[in-house]
Amino acid sequence: AQKVTQAQTEISVVEKEDVTLDCVYETRDTTYYLFWYKQPPSGELVFLIRRNSFDEQNEISGRYSWNFQKSTSSFNFTITASQVVDSAVYFCALSDKSGGYQKVTFGTGTKLQVIP
Amino acid sequence: DSGVTQTPKHLITATGQRVTLRCSPRSGDLSVYWYQQSLDQGLQFLIQYYNGEERAKGNILERFSAQQFPDLHSELNLSSLELGDSALYFCASSAARDSFTDTQYFGPGTRLTVL
Repeated sequence: AQKVTQAQTEISVVEKEDVTLDCVYETRDTTYYLFWYKQPPSGELVFLIRRNSFDEQNEISGRYSWNFQKSTSSFNFTITASQVVDSAVYFCALSDKSGGYQKVTFGTGTKLQVIP
Repeated sequence: DSGVTQTPKHLITATGQRVTLRCSPRSGDLSVYWYQQSLDQGLQFLIQYYNGEERAKGNILERFSAQQFPDLHSELNLSSLELGDSALYFCASSAARDSFTDTQYFGPGTRLTVL
């Protein structure tokens, strides 16, 4: 079954601290896609990254980095030197062809609060 | 600004009614996705259209339907509304035909309140 677990419901950090948001997924497919989205307090959704199951290279984009480990079915997201503007709810998502058609499942989200 | 527009921004209606939500994708994008975000169900994918044809289907209720028109804008129709349909409805667009294989750009959402 397709499942995404974001065990951390809420995290608070002080500005400039590093923070890692965990994402663990379950799928029976060998081909799948993983995503992270950001939802700031204003409510809009912002796409952050997409990673396919055949690309296990870690990715860095500015202060953001992603660690994809198939061995542990995890796709963790680290923010380095956090800033107040990073305060948001972050969603991890998995897309695979469960039941023969492409679908996506979102985690329940991790609310990050960065305190000045 | 993602380039994806959604109207209306807010919608308040009564149970049993029918509403239509509208989405215009980014210029050049042929895929449109609809999502629902509610307190009970979290964020859920509803349906995807590519160039007028249904491409993928998620947890969309039979009371809901969508279509994509020749000018590529899409409409999500919600009928026989129930209190539980109150949610934020997002539209997203992307260039690719294959579902969820490229960057999606989200609109600001339509907040639906069913009283």
